[in-house]
Amino acid sequence: QPVLTQSSSASASLGSSVKLTCTLSSGHSSNIIAWHQQQPGKAPRYLMKLEGSGSYNKVSGVPDRFSGSSSGADRYLTISNLQSEDEADYYCETWDSNTRVFGGGTKLTVL
Amino acid sequence: QVQLVESGGGLVKPGGSLRLSCAASGFTFSDYYMSWIRQAPGKGLEWVSYISSSTSYTNYADSVKGRFTISRDNAKNSLYLQMNSLRAEDTAVYYCARDVGAGHTDWGQGTLVTVSS
Repeated sequence: QPVLTQSSSASASLGSSVKLTCTLSSGHSSNIIAWHQQQPGKAPRYLMKLEGSGSYNKVSGVPDRFSGSSSGADRYLTISNLQSEDEADYYCETWDSNTRVFGGGTKLTVL
Repeated sequence: QVQLVESGGGLVKPGGSLRLSCAASGFTFSDYYMSWIRQAPGKGLEWVSYISSSTSYTNYADSVKGRFTISRDNAKNSLYLQMNSLRAEDTAVYYCARDVGAGHTDWGQGTLVTVSS
């Protein structure tokens, strides 16, 4: 089954940009993933679906500041013009016919 | 809009049982796979189980296989998780979530299960 690897933490300044990475395990580099945001004390929120081609589909209500991209087995979530409310945990997710898998999450701190 | 409301969490002793429920509204429940996903205190998300739209297919994480049973009642727009032989490591917030085949797009607010003597 696929494994997703994320850095445990990231930080960036208010108004700057940050790029979070999710890496797919060997043999799964073409998988589609999803990105979720979890603000402190809240349930996760689905942000977007991201394909290996770099094509992404955000759900309604997700600000334009959020975008996705891909390179090989790496999937990225870029947040530009960082706001205080972007401080959250970010999880990637993928799936196959038998299972669903989450990455360990990246805790984003907005300085 | 889509709404998922979990219930049934609480404090249970090791070895005990608990049944979680999730009431769904705002979408055609019978059209979608549904999952249970949990989050231990201070930890990340862990997928627990899913069930197909017609109930004919289920799957479980190795950590709960043989102890947990997922089910649904499409007539009642409800999802369930029967948890038996509970262990301390099952302590977590349990979320129900709608699986659209491109990730879990909708989540409930979660229900806390605490396994402790």
